[in-house]
Amino acid sequence: GQQVMQIPQYQHVQEGEDFTTYCNSSTTLSNIQWYKQRPGGHPVFLIQLVKSGEVKKQKRLTFQFGEAKKNSSLHITATQTTDVGTYFCAARSNDYKLSFGAGTTVTVRA
Amino acid sequence: DTEVTQTPKHLVMGMTNKKSLKCEQHMGHRAMYWYKQKAKKPPELMFVYSYEKLSINESVPSRFSPECPNSSLLNLHLHALQPEDSALYLCASSLGQTYNEQFFGPGTRLTVL
Repeated sequence: GQQVMQIPQYQHVQEGEDFTTYCNSSTTLSNIQWYKQRPGGHPVFLIQLVKSGEVKKQKRLTFQFGEAKKNSSLHITATQTTDVGTYFCAARSNDYKLSFGAGTTVTVRA
Repeated sequence: DTEVTQTPKHLVMGMTNKKSLKCEQHMGHRAMYWYKQKAKKPPELMFVYSYEKLSINESVPSRFSPECPNSSLLNLHLHALQPEDSALYLCASSLGQTYNEQFFGPGTRLTVL
């Protein structure tokens, strides 16, 4: 499957601060998806990016797809306790298999 | 109905037991998936069914046997598992295999003694 590297593995954030998690691939991706998994929960689809340089926003979350379609980022502004969880990027290979990055686990200090 | 359901939520079994995990969706999705997720790791794809036919088997040991009785149901039959098979088993579905958004069920937390 498509290999995607995700950093950082852990992100400890003060409530109200911003942070960014990154996803990188050595090959061009057809698209990239982002999922969130709350502690004890299951992955929930957040968004899919398809176009080069695409930027999509969901309230305080901003998702970006690189111009070369080899990297993506998720930026969260004014972090809240509800943002706690693990954020995974995922890329689909030509045979439609979805491969997940290692995930960024976010904890928030109140 | 926009959810994927899985039963049981928790399962403890011995290495000689035979058990089955069940997954159901009523969203009209034609692709269904089994994933295995170990603690602090991402989900790993095991099997994909497309239109009730096995489409992808990610070299999973034969002690895991998937079954898709109809377009809404997906089973995973377990036999002679090993302690290292203990994990969260997630079922997911999507509109079709070429559609990207996957809807995950809550998972079955499996412990093999």
